[in-house]
Amino acid sequence: KNEVEQSPQNLTAQEGEFITINCSYSVGISALHWLQQHPGGGIVSLFMLSSGKKKHGRLIATINIQEKHSSLHITASHPRDSAVYICAVNNDMRFGAGTRLTVKP
Amino acid sequence: EADIYQTPRYLVIGTGKKITLECSQTMGHDKMYWYQQDPGMELHLIHYSYGVNSTEKGDLSSESTVSRIRTEHFPLTLESARPSHTSQYLCASSVGTRTDTQYFGPGTRLTVL
Repeated sequence: KNEVEQSPQNLTAQEGEFITINCSYSVGISALHWLQQHPGGGIVSLFMLSSGKKKHGRLIATINIQEKHSSLHITASHPRDSAVYICAVNNDMRFGAGTRLTVKP
Repeated sequence: EADIYQTPRYLVIGTGKKITLECSQTMGHDKMYWYQQDPGMELHLIHYSYGVNSTEKGDLSSESTVSRIRTEHFPLTLESARPSHTSQYLCASSVGTRTDTQYFGPGTRLTVL
């Protein structure tokens, strides 16, 4: 069983929809990362969280340490948000399997 | 803007060849990492380094080796490439604390025939 579980695995949305991607983990952590991987393979770090909530533009990330759960939200989604979103915990960087998001115009 | 580079971006090579994948960063980061990602699969940490002359194996067993002679440079070597090594290899770096953001390179897509 993977120590970092993401859901859903695949997500298709219409442009403008509010999107939520979930990440649950089973180990104690010092921080959790949300990463974005584009179709060409390049990875961008979106957020690093150890508590609470962070916002950057249309992206919001939250974490509940007690429940061992984090969510990534995208407001007013756009086709350019189409990518794989990966959750990783900061204990030797263990990764979730990723959520493949497709936003249709 | 992160300055971390990987070369080559794409490599197709025959079985048995020795290859070195290059990774360099100009940010002065102490920690550097190598990840392996098979198509459609999750990332796995294969090597990391806390600084010069420090290297450790990650959670995924790998036949590759790494070296860290200079802060900015963290090459990965396969002594004898095999088709099972076909994968994407991603390099990353961070300042040095456990909670620091990692900056990723563009990756090297390796195909071993």
